[in-house]
Amino acid sequence: EVQLVESGGGLVQPGGSLRLSCAASGFTLSAYWMTWVRQAPGKGLEWVANIKEDGGLRYYVDSVKGRFTISRDNAKNSLYLQMNSLRADDTAVYYCVRDDTSYDGGVYYDVFDIWGQGTMVTVSS
Amino acid sequence: AIQMTQSPSSLSASVGDRVTITCRASQGIRNDLGWYQQKPGTAPKLLIYAASTLQSGVPSRFTGSGSGTDFTLTISSLQPEDFATYYCLQDYDYPRTFGQGTTVEIK
Repeated sequence: EVQLVESGGGLVQPGGSLRLSCAASGFTLSAYWMTWVRQAPGKGLEWVANIKEDGGLRYYVDSVKGRFTISRDNAKNSLYLQMNSLRADDTAVYYCVRDDTSYDGGVYYDVFDIWGQGTMVTVSS
Repeated sequence: AIQMTQSPSSLSASVGDRVTITCRASQGIRNDLGWYQQKPGTAPKLLIYAASTLQSGVPSRFTGSGSGTDFTLTISSLQPEDFATYYCLQDYDYPRTFGQGTTVEIK
């Protein structure tokens, strides 16, 4: 079965750090871009970061640049999100997402086809 | 960052109704747009990508259209399992940005 399972969430104080992990199974992680998406309680979805198949390219939303680092270990079929200098507004469910990129007519399209169940991060004193 | 504005924010509809949700981009994004459905307490699910391509396994009552700045998601005949929140997502530029969501409620 193709699935993603996140772990590492929890309660952390403002200014603290947390490392999220995402274990992939049923497919070869190295063949896909991967993405983190978050959702604050009662709010909408926010794209956070993504990483190319080989880890050679990474993109971030402005609000986490310099604080969060996305990485991957394809040999372990795992994706990570290192979160430092955490703030209250980072409180959210964090989803690990597979991007089955589609190529058509010279254009690449994101296809977020597999989502994990999410892991909750709470930043509070 | 490209802003995505959905309308309405919520709507009430009955089973069998035709429902249309719109998404407007703050600049042209070709057809680089996806639609996602989310039910309470669960992860989002991909419905449509490239503005109009139906994801495998998604019922044909869902259709997407549009290009440039204006996009629509249409549910031709609303089913009980379609009551959920819908989000558009542009993948034309970084950072990717979602619309604020449209909640479809039972009338």
